[in-house]
Amino acid sequence: GAGVSQSPSNKVTEKGKDVELRCDPISGHTALYWYRQSLGQGLEFLIYFQGNSAPDKSGLPSDRFSAERTGGSVSTLTIQRTQQEDSAVYLCASSPSAGTATTNYGYTFGSGTRLTVV
Amino acid sequence: AQSVAQPEDQVNVAEGNPLTVKCTYSVSGNPYLFWYVQYPNRGLQFLLKYITGDNLVKGSYGFEAEFNKSQTSFHLKKPSALVSDSALYFCAVRDITYNTDKLIFGTGTRLQVFP
Repeated sequence: GAGVSQSPSNKVTEKGKDVELRCDPISGHTALYWYRQSLGQGLEFLIYFQGNSAPDKSGLPSDRFSAERTGGSVSTLTIQRTQQEDSAVYLCASSPSAGTATTNYGYTFGSGTRLTVV
Repeated sequence: AQSVAQPEDQVNVAEGNPLTVKCTYSVSGNPYLFWYVQYPNRGLQFLLKYITGDNLVKGSYGFEAEFNKSQTSFHLKKPSALVSDSALYFCAVRDITYNTDKLIFGTGTRLQVFP
């Protein structure tokens, strides 16, 4: 596609429910990133996928968070047993490769999914 | 670990005046530094980067940033602010190890330009 697509754009869920957030990166981009944007917390790194390599999961805040990337394209971020502190905007970004991203023009970000846990 | 700090939550400036948004960094090795902007209801956009070379980097929308190694700073600047520059600005640094290559972002600075 022309850009990074995220769905849904907004999600309201009850505390304790599971949610799935989807990211469609730009076609051909091998690197994919998830970040979380909370008020006053800036952009918090969650997870990084690069091709078929093992993902860097070091930013996932708890074992309730997981992510997968199927076929090297679409990625799904899953939050189990949601808590109110999970409320944030979840941003996905992609780049042709990690090296290209950080040495050339950076990432292309999606518009994000605003998650509200009530 | 690599990190960046943005000491100001908000910067206010009058239209036509010069603006500075501050960023300091802490890295091991040579820093790769970035600025991104987030306009209301829009995604983050790349503004400029410093990899190597000239300490003054020019980017989109008339912005520039000055890399200062002795002060470990990478402040974003613009000679004459526009109301349309009002947005949230993020500084970022590359974090690369054996199994990762990602950007670490600061907490952001909200720029408000008044007419």
